[in-house]
Amino acid sequence: GQNIDQPTEMTATEGAIVQINCTYQTSGFNGLFWYQQHAGEAPTFLSYNVLDGLEEKGRFSSFLSRSKGYSYLLLKELQMKDSASYLCAVRDSNYQLIWGAGTKLIIKP
Amino acid sequence: DTEVTQTPKHLVMGMTNKKSLKCEQHMGHRAMYWYKQKAKKPPELMFVYSYEKLSINESVPSRFSPECPNSSLLNLHLHALQPEDSALYLCASSYTSGRGETQYFGPGTRLLVL
Repeated sequence: GQNIDQPTEMTATEGAIVQINCTYQTSGFNGLFWYQQHAGEAPTFLSYNVLDGLEEKGRFSSFLSRSKGYSYLLLKELQMKDSASYLCAVRDSNYQLIWGAGTKLIIKP
Repeated sequence: DTEVTQTPKHLVMGMTNKKSLKCEQHMGHRAMYWYKQKAKKPPELMFVYSYEKLSINESVPSRFSPECPNSSLLNLHLHALQPEDSALYLCASSYTSGRGETQYFGPGTRLLVL
């Protein structure tokens, strides 16, 4: 079966760095997405990785290792507004998006 | 314009009603999606339109009927829904470039079926 695993919840301190991991087992791979979703709002696109390595976008970076079926989202200089759920999603060989359950990130002052 | 818009924002309907959700984007994206999202769950794909043709239907009940009148518009017609259909309905569009794929979600329609 197809499976995306990410931690259910994480807590971090304002100004610090946090890494949210995602491991996947899918039938084929055509890219991995990270989304941010605040409660009651729609997901917001953060990043897309299809090749191995690190993609950096301001305070957010995303890493992919296809051989390990592994990705992480790195958030630096955490701000209170970063408190949200972070969703990992993988596009499989049928170009269907398989979603993880999301990681709820709680930022404390 | 990097926005996907959806109307209405909120909708309350009875089980015998017929209503429609609307989605619009003017980014020239040729793939558009309908998702359903329950509280504290990830989005569930319902339908995918590619170049205005239905390419994926994730075994969605016939009480949900999608329509793509043109490349900018996507509708979801609702009829005889059940209370368990209450959820956030998200529209998304995407394009693929040399830098990869980018997906954009609309703000969603929060639907309550009584």
